[in-house]
Amino acid sequence: GAGVSQSPRYKVAKRGQDVALRCDPISGHVSLFWYQQALGQGPEFLTYFQNEAQLDKSGLPSDRFFAERPEGSVSTLKIQRTQQEDSAVYLCASSLEYRAVEQPQHFGDGTRLSIL
Amino acid sequence: SQKIEQNSEALNIQEGKTATLTCNYTNYSPAYLQWYRQDPGRGPVFLLLIRENEKEKRKERLKVTFDTTLKQSLFHITASQPADSATYLCALEQGGGADGLTFGKGTHLIIQP
Repeated sequence: GAGVSQSPRYKVAKRGQDVALRCDPISGHVSLFWYQQALGQGPEFLTYFQNEAQLDKSGLPSDRFFAERPEGSVSTLKIQRTQQEDSAVYLCASSLEYRAVEQPQHFGDGTRLSIL
Repeated sequence: SQKIEQNSEALNIQEGKTATLTCNYTNYSPAYLQWYRQDPGRGPVFLLLIRENEKEKRKERLKVTFDTTLKQSLFHITASQPADSATYLCALEQGGGADGLTFGKGTHLIIQP
C-alpha cells in the first residue's frame, strides 16, 4: 500500500528487555515523526527527522529511547531496558516536505507496546 | 509550551444534526491548526488544516473556524452520520521552531441513529 507502515502491530516484552519498533514512511516523504500515545490521551511528540538527520529529540522521555533513520527512509525506534511506564502505542507519521507544521501528517496505525 | 483543551467527555449527537467540537489553546497563537480523526486501534487521519489568516475553511460536510482572539477553533460536522463516530483531535505546532505537533486529548463523538 501507499500509506505509512509500522511493525510489529503488537509487542509484548518483559521489563528490562530491549525492543525495536519499525516505521516505513510514504516513499519520498522528507519528514518523519515518532509520537507516543497513552490510553485516552492525544499523541505526544517524541522525535523528528528531516531525511536522515534527527533535528529534534526533545520529546524522548529518557536516554533509554533512541531513534534512527540512517538512509532517510525507514526509521527504527529502540527502547532499552524497558519499564512498565513505556507501555503505550507508538505512532509514526511522515509528511512530504520540510515545514511539517504547514502540511498534513500521514500516520501509521502504530505499535501497541505492553511491558509486563 | 502550548496547551490544548478539548471537550474530554463524549459528545452524543443525533444523526442528521450538526456536531460542534471545541479546541481551546493557551500561550501563543499558532500560524496553523490541524484537525485529525482517530478510530479505535488506528492512527490519526488528517482532515483539515487552517491558517491564522483563514477564519474559516470547509471540506464537504466539515467546517473549521479559527479565532485567534479567543484562542479557539471550532470543528463542525453537518448532516452527521453514524459513520462520523470517532475521536477528533486538534493539533497545533509546538512552537519555538520545532516541527512536531502538540495534540489535544481529543473529543469522542458518538452519532446516534
